[in-house]
Amino acid sequence: TQLLEQSPQFLSIQEGENLTVYCNSSSVFSSLQWYRQEPGEGPVLLVTVVTGGEVKKLKRLTFQFGDARKDSSLHITAAQPGDTGLYLCAGAEEQGAQKLVFGQGTRLTINP
Amino acid sequence: DSGVTQTPKHLITATGQRVTLRCSPRSGDLSVYWYQQSLDQGLQFLIQYYNGEERAKGNILERFSAQQFPDLHSELNLSSLELGDSALYFCASNSGVAKNIQYFGAGTRLSVL
Repeated sequence: TQLLEQSPQFLSIQEGENLTVYCNSSSVFSSLQWYRQEPGEGPVLLVTVVTGGEVKKLKRLTFQFGDARKDSSLHITAAQPGDTGLYLCAGAEEQGAQKLVFGQGTRLTINP
Repeated sequence: DSGVTQTPKHLITATGQRVTLRCSPRSGDLSVYWYQQSLDQGLQFLIQYYNGEERAKGNILERFSAQQFPDLHSELNLSSLELGDSALYFCASNSGVAKNIQYFGAGTRLSVL
């Protein structure tokens, strides 16, 4: 069974600080996706990384896929209260149905 | 708006009952995935259908079943409900092509009392 360990589970910081969320596994994934989920809503895709070592930037968010395609990180620069939410990483299987394996999520709170 | 529609948004029922959750995928998507999200479990994959056929099964209980109809909408049937089945149930869809991202619906919140 493929597992994704996401850390930290909870993070509360002040506006303007930087933070990093990690997603680690012993399994290789064909791609890794980061979602953000608001209360009462479904996960909304932020980014997909496919190539080992790939780095993608989305404004103040930087996503990196590990060289071995087993881990990923999400770095937020100068966090703002609007960044508050549940962040989920999900790995897509290399073979078969390509179902997503989700991490437990990181509940991020940015205090003004 | 992801283009994936789930109904109903909320469902309250009693233990032992049976319910049906419905999902309409994005236009043109052939593959539908069902996930369960509990407070302490994160998102767990239940089952996938592709063009009407079951393609993959995850941690789906025998009390649960699903199907995909010719018009590609899908239903998840939950029977003999228990308190522990209370959760958010999400449907996602994509074209079924390898490495294609999944788009999620807003979910159905099931409360079993």
